[in-house]
Amino acid sequence: KAGVTQTPRYLIKTRGQQVTLSCSPISGHRSVSWYQQTPGQGLQFLFEYFSETQRNKGNFPGRFSGRQFSNSRSEMNVSTLELGDSALYLCASRGTDATNEKLFFGSGTQLSVL
Amino acid sequence: KNQVEQSPQSLIILEGKNCTLQCNYTVSPFSNLRWYKQDTGRGPVSLTIMTFSENTKSNGRYTATLDADTKQSSLHITASQLSDSASYICVVSSYSGGYNKLIFGAGTRLAVHP
Repeated sequence: KAGVTQTPRYLIKTRGQQVTLSCSPISGHRSVSWYQQTPGQGLQFLFEYFSETQRNKGNFPGRFSGRQFSNSRSEMNVSTLELGDSALYLCASRGTDATNEKLFFGSGTQLSVL
Repeated sequence: KNQVEQSPQSLIILEGKNCTLQCNYTVSPFSNLRWYKQDTGRGPVSLTIMTFSENTKSNGRYTATLDADTKQSSLHITASQLSDSASYICVVSSYSGGYNKLIFGAGTRLAVHP
């Protein structure tokens, strides 16, 4: 069974540009969540999608948005990039909303904003 | 406010030694607590899950404990190996508003030296 796949693995952008990151969850998983990870902040929750609906959102500006498609694949978009957006962006999926359901993470997209 | 605090922030130990990582939480209602291991440049991987009624759970050389009264958990690593060098993240699950909400700790960065 294939794991969570994130593309691209690395990305370099300049300030003011926009970027779209992609995440393919484990087959059959309906929940996809996104996280930003920086060395000093740890994992920061961005948002979670379940069956194409955004169910929960973290404390990030509106420049960060996402969506989920009918096949559960998800994309995250960041507009008007800032230097502080440089981070590892992780996507995770889980099959159900059961309380003991664990997250399966992808390897992340390392975004560098110059 | 729901919070998860981990200590120490970073730790250096010699190969073969034991170590204990701490996780204190103020999360309500509490569903479960999970420890994840994150190797550099990879996504986190679940090590173990603790529910309210469990005090101790082992996964190889990793032993997690939970004290639901004091809202503390620990992850004990026995006979450390170089491959244990990673970040360890404590995540508490809280079922509220009809779905699970995950609260992440900032992690403990462990370095095992030969």
